[in-house]
Amino acid sequence: DVKVTQSSRYLVKRTGEKVFLECVQDMDHENMFWYRQDPGLGLRLIYFSYDVKMKEKGDIPEGYSVSREKKERFSLILESASTNQTSMYLCTTLPGVGETQYFGPGTRLLVL
Amino acid sequence: GENVEQHPSTLSVQEGDSAVIKCTYSDSASNYFPWYKQELGKRPQLIIDIRSNVGEKKDQRIAVTLNKTAKHFSLHITETQPEDSAVYFCAASTSGGSYIPTFGRGTSLIVHP
Repeated sequence: DVKVTQSSRYLVKRTGEKVFLECVQDMDHENMFWYRQDPGLGLRLIYFSYDVKMKEKGDIPEGYSVSREKKERFSLILESASTNQTSMYLCTTLPGVGETQYFGPGTRLLVL
Repeated sequence: GENVEQHPSTLSVQEGDSAVIKCTYSDSASNYFPWYKQELGKRPQLIIDIRSNVGEKKDQRIAVTLNKTAKHFSLHITETQPEDSAVYFCAASTSGGSYIPTFGRGTSLIVHP
């Protein structure tokens, strides 16, 4: 059974803090993605990775960075958290092109 | 890049009615169209998908239709039940080139008992 996990379900941070969100998959999928989900805006792509140490910017990369040192782990980093980064963050994996994505449970981040 | 428009943003129906959610896409190279259901507090999960080589696919009360010429696809739910209440997302992607899936903004479906 496919498994995508995220390090935290809920997180509260202060403005200016460095925040790490981790995503781990056990399916050996090449592709991993980070989205943020906001009401009325749907799912917006922040960054994605198609291989270890490879990363590409999505539609809204500003204020974020990522790391993929191992195939199974894809981390999203907020270098200096701001209140407008309060959101639900979803990690997904993709086994191959033209295939279904698998979602992690999400991390609801509140930046005060 | 691909652009996916989804309508309506909110849909309210009575139990037993049908519900239809529509998506349009811009890239004629898109050939895979999944639909995801996200219940409150849960992760999105695939409920049905369609590839560009077919025009319709059905799974019990759920069906998806695809019109490649008009570049739109729709989700149909018949005999709706309160447990169908959720946010539904459509997506489009290709098998090559820019394969990154693009999502619609979501439709909040409310089924009143």
